[in-house]
Amino acid sequence: DQQVKQNSPSLSVQEGRISILNCDYTNSMFDYFLWYKKYPAEGPTFLISISSIKDKNEDGRFTVFLNKSAKHLSLHIVPSQPGDSAVYFCAASSDSNYQLIWGAGTKLIIKP
Amino acid sequence: AAGVIQSPRHLIKEKRETATLKCYPIPRHDTVYWYQQGPGQDPQFLISFYEKMQSDKGSIPDRFSAQQFSDYHSELNMSSLELGDSALYFCASSLPLDRGPYNEQFFGPGTRLTVL
Repeated sequence: DQQVKQNSPSLSVQEGRISILNCDYTNSMFDYFLWYKKYPAEGPTFLISISSIKDKNEDGRFTVFLNKSAKHLSLHIVPSQPGDSAVYFCAASSDSNYQLIWGAGTKLIIKP
Repeated sequence: AAGVIQSPRHLIKEKRETATLKCYPIPRHDTVYWYQQGPGQDPQFLISFYEKMQSDKGSIPDRFSAQQFSDYHSELNMSSLELGDSALYFCASSLPLDRGPYNEQFFGPGTRLTVL
């Protein structure tokens, strides 16, 4: 059973607008969440993370929101830029198990 | 800044052959993780090492083994290769776990293994 779910395989957004990528999880033991960006033929690149004691973390154009009661997190990118086109993975871990559990990824396409 | 180095970047093997993938973590990172990403799939955790000791084990087949050396580089050894082993193999490293429980994992570019 998929513990981390990204239900949108792809998302298309106009340049300059906001991109919102969603992620749901089922395991209540998860307490640390990360977003990675991946280009073809490259390894995932760390973007931003959030621990379960927070509900928001912001870094430049990237903001991650965590709703623990709904077991849902989202990544907001604003404004979206052409270079943001990539596959975005949501990942989760717990302090008892540092391995990352990954979602299936969402392909973000930024249209000029 | 130095990143995680993986070699080789591409590897082609035949069924039942063996393969060795290498990973060199970011300097001062002592924790190494191995992931396997099959075509169209999300990465799956295989195994991790902390201070040269195995720290966690995921869905690593018995045909695979790995170790971390004194210089913290790690090698993933794969034997009796099967067609289904064709995948991207990522290595990641992170800061020492005793510096905090939440250390981001930084990924290498991956090794693409093709088994014919």
